[in-house]
Amino acid sequence: DAMVIQNPRYQVTQFGKPVTLSCSQTLNHNVMYWYQQKSSQAPKLLFHYYDKDFNNEADTPDNFQSRRPNTSFCFLDIRSPGLGDAAMYLCATSSQGGRGIQETQYFGPGTRLLVL
Amino acid sequence: TQLLEQSPQFLSIQEGENLTVYCNSSSVFSSLQWYRQEPGEGPVLLVTVVTGGEVKKLKRLTFQFGDARKDSSLHITAAQPGDTGLYLCAGIYGNNRLAFGKGNQVVVIP
Repeated sequence: DAMVIQNPRYQVTQFGKPVTLSCSQTLNHNVMYWYQQKSSQAPKLLFHYYDKDFNNEADTPDNFQSRRPNTSFCFLDIRSPGLGDAAMYLCATSSQGGRGIQETQYFGPGTRLLVL
Repeated sequence: TQLLEQSPQFLSIQEGENLTVYCNSSSVFSSLQWYRQEPGEGPVLLVTVVTGGEVKKLKRLTFQFGDARKDSSLHITAAQPGDTGLYLCAGIYGNNRLAFGKGNQVVVIP
């Protein structure tokens, strides 16, 4: 029954060592989002894909990249993780028939990243 | 930047009591959502409010959207331990983007 799956649930990496987080969905939704949620902070949108169109938020650091090879999968790549990148990373999906229509976002359980 | 302020940040009450938490912004949103997030899990949508002044009920939870569509409240009647969690409000803007508040951490003590 899992709809939005994130692997791994916990990820430990070393300072400066590239890391990739993955998200998959069984909902066939055309929009996928990545959020960063630090402890006691609001989830912050990093970027999203509308189909294959990548939409980066203006304040997302260049250190964060994303790939969406197909509808079901989306990856978050952190090229050189710093201590400040330790956070919960949430993936979400939504189905949009047209831009501007509000649709429910379905969140995965998140991946908690620890940077040593 | 769309900012939502949620208050109180932390609230602890006894089972059976009522509580209200608030979400306020200086921005107008086309609609606003409330989510509940439990430890180690992603947020789960509770409700979407769209019309200024709208009131929606979900069992013991009552959600209200301000007339000016800048603020919202969540009222829980006769709180249960299962209501414990982080309640996040999120304003919808742009192309289905969500701007979240920091959340109201609610703890219901049995």
